[in-house]
Amino acid sequence: DGGITQSPKYLFRKEGQNVTLSCEQNLNHDAMYWYRQDPGQGLRLIYYSQIVNDFQKGDIAEGYSVSREKKESFPLTVTSAQKNPTAFYLCASSLTTGDGYTFGSGTRLTVV
Amino acid sequence: ELKVEQNPLFLSMQEGKNYTIYCNYSTTSDRLYWYRQDPGKSLESLFVLLSNGAVKQEGRLMASLDTKARLSTLHITAAVHDLSATYFCAVDMKTSYDKVIFGPGTSLSVIP
Repeated sequence: DGGITQSPKYLFRKEGQNVTLSCEQNLNHDAMYWYRQDPGQGLRLIYYSQIVNDFQKGDIAEGYSVSREKKESFPLTVTSAQKNPTAFYLCASSLTTGDGYTFGSGTRLTVV
Repeated sequence: ELKVEQNPLFLSMQEGKNYTIYCNYSTTSDRLYWYRQDPGKSLESLFVLLSNGAVKQEGRLMASLDTKARLSTLHITAAVHDLSATYFCAVDMKTSYDKVIFGPGTSLSVIP
C-alpha cells in the first residue's frame, strides 16, 4: 500500500544536538511538506518542496534545514539553533492536483 | 495574507445532538479540505471540496463549501462518542503547488 512513513515515532534530543527526522513516501507525489504542531495548536509550515533539489522556507523555518535529493524522501534536520524544538512534527505530500495532503504518522520530538 | 478561522474552537455536545462547525477564510479559493485528528495521532482526510456549492457526506458528517461567502461548514448529525476529535479545515491558496493554510482546529467532545 502507498503511503508516507515517518521515523522515528518518538525522538529525544539533548541540548545542542542536531537531529534528523525521516520522511519517505511511495505515492509518487511531487510536493512534500513539513509541519510543526504544538500542544492544542494548529499546524505551522516549516519547509516545503515542489520538486527534487528544490525547497522553500515556510512560516517558521529558522533553526531547521531540509534536503530533497530524491522524490521519495524529504528529511528534516532540527538544528541546535532551534531553541524550542519540543513539538509534534508532521510530514505530508501532495500531487498538486487539488486532492489535498496525505500525512505521515508524525514524530514527537522532546528535548531532554 | 490568507487567514483561516474556525468557530467554535471548543465544542462539547451530547450524543444524539446536531451541530455545525464553521470555517471562514479571507481570500478567494475554491479548494477546501477537512481533516480529523485524534489525540496524539496524525491527520486523516475527511472531505475534499473543489467547487462552489460542493457538498459531501460521509456517515454522520456533511461538509459544504460556499466560495462566494468564503465559508465552509461541517455538520454533525446525531453525534456519537466516536466523533470526538479535533477537526481542521484547510484552504488551498491556489499557487503553483498545493500550499494549504490550516485553521486552528475545533476540538469536539461528544458526551454520553
